[in-house]
Amino acid sequence: KAGVTQTPRYLIKTRGQQVTLSCSPISGHRSVSWYQQTPGQGLQFLFEYFSETQRNKGNFPGRFSGRQFSNSRSEMNVSTLELGDSALYLCASSWDRLNTEAFFGQGTRLTVV
Amino acid sequence: DQQVKQNSPSLSVQEGRISILNCDYTNSMFDYFLWYKKYPAEGPTFLISISSIKDKNEDGRFTVFLNKSAKHLSLHIVPSQPGDSAVYFCAASDNAGNMLTFGGGTRLMVKP
Repeated sequence: KAGVTQTPRYLIKTRGQQVTLSCSPISGHRSVSWYQQTPGQGLQFLFEYFSETQRNKGNFPGRFSGRQFSNSRSEMNVSTLELGDSALYLCASSWDRLNTEAFFGQGTRLTVV
Repeated sequence: DQQVKQNSPSLSVQEGRISILNCDYTNSMFDYFLWYKKYPAEGPTFLISISSIKDKNEDGRFTVFLNKSAKHLSLHIVPSQPGDSAVYFCAASDNAGNMLTFGGGTRLMVKP
């Protein structure tokens, strides 16, 4: 059974640009959530989607957005990139609620220059 | 306001001995707790979890203990192996279960 797949693995963008990251959950999983990991702030929750609906959102500015497709694949978008957006972005999938063993992808390392 | 805290940023143990990683939480609505292991530049790997209706859960070398009255949980690894060297995160969710709140992590180093 394939795990959670995130693409791309690495990305370098310039301040002011926008970026889209992709996450394919484990087959059969309907919940996809996104986290940002930085050295200073640790792992912070961005948002969670279930059956194409955002169920919960963390404390991030509106520049961070996401969506989920009917096949449960999810994308997150960051517009008007800032240097502080440089981070490892992690996607997690679970069958339903995240407290039923959420499985993480390898992440996308975003560097903003 | 850190709702989940791992007060020890690092821990060093000898191979074969017990590793004990600790985690404290403040939100009494948390009712499910998970431990993850993470290597650099990789996603967290699920290790073990515990529901608030239990006080102990075992899986092989890993045991998680939950003390609800103290709002404290711990992960025991016995015996510790050099391959266990990684950063360990505890995470918590409430009964809505659609977000995880992570602690800051503890770097475990197991010396041969």
